Amino acid sequence: SQQGEEDPQALSIQEGENATMNCSYKTSINNLQWYRQNSGRGLVHLILIRSNEREKHSGRLRVTLDTSKKSSSLLITASRAADTASYFCATDAGNQFYFGTGTSLTVIP
Amino acid sequence: NAGVTQTPKFQVLKTGQSMTLQCAQDMNHEYMSWYRQDPGMGLRLIHYSVGAGITDQGEVPNGYNVSRSTTEDFPLRLLSAAPSQTSVYFCASSPRGMGYEQYFGPGTRLTVT
Repeated sequence: SQQGEEDPQALSIQEGENATMNCSYKTSINNLQWYRQNSGRGLVHLILIRSNEREKHSGRLRVTLDTSKKSSSLLITASRAADTASYFCATDAGNQFYFGTGTSLTVIP
Repeated sequence: NAGVTQTPKFQVLKTGQSMTLQCAQDMNHEYMSWYRQDPGMGLRLIHYSVGAGITDQGEVPNGYNVSRSTTEDFPLRLLSAAPSQTSVYFCASSPRGMGYEQYFGPGTRLTVT
């Protein structure tokens, strides 16, 4: 399987703190994306970073990509209770997307 | 726009029964895909389509069929349901697939007894 893995599997922080989650993948990629999934709902796209980019920002989100280590990190700054969700990375190869196993983030008010 | 819609939301099948999960999108997206989500496994690609009339297998295609007769619709057929197919199924679409974000439907929770 080319599926990636997120680390940690679960993360619990206080509101206002920063949350960092990591994604490792196995093969060369063209792009890497991060998605959020609220409990019982479909996934929502957060940010896309291309293989020739090293860092990207979107609002309170910061994504880094290290293709030499085949890894990416997602930083959520100044977390809010509404950020409580599962977060997945997704890589693409050929015409297929490969999702990681997810990080479950709980933000405590 | 309604985005990506899926029906039904919940379904219970007996082993051996067949059924079709419906997926439709109104964004004129070329790329559509089906995933299953199991606890601790993330999402795994079942089948995908890069345009009307073109489908291909993903990571876990066994036991499932798809067709893409129109740009809008991408139904997933379970030929003979098995308990191992108990899962949550998500349909997604994307303007052109790779390099573009995917838009997900709300999911279908399927239980096979």
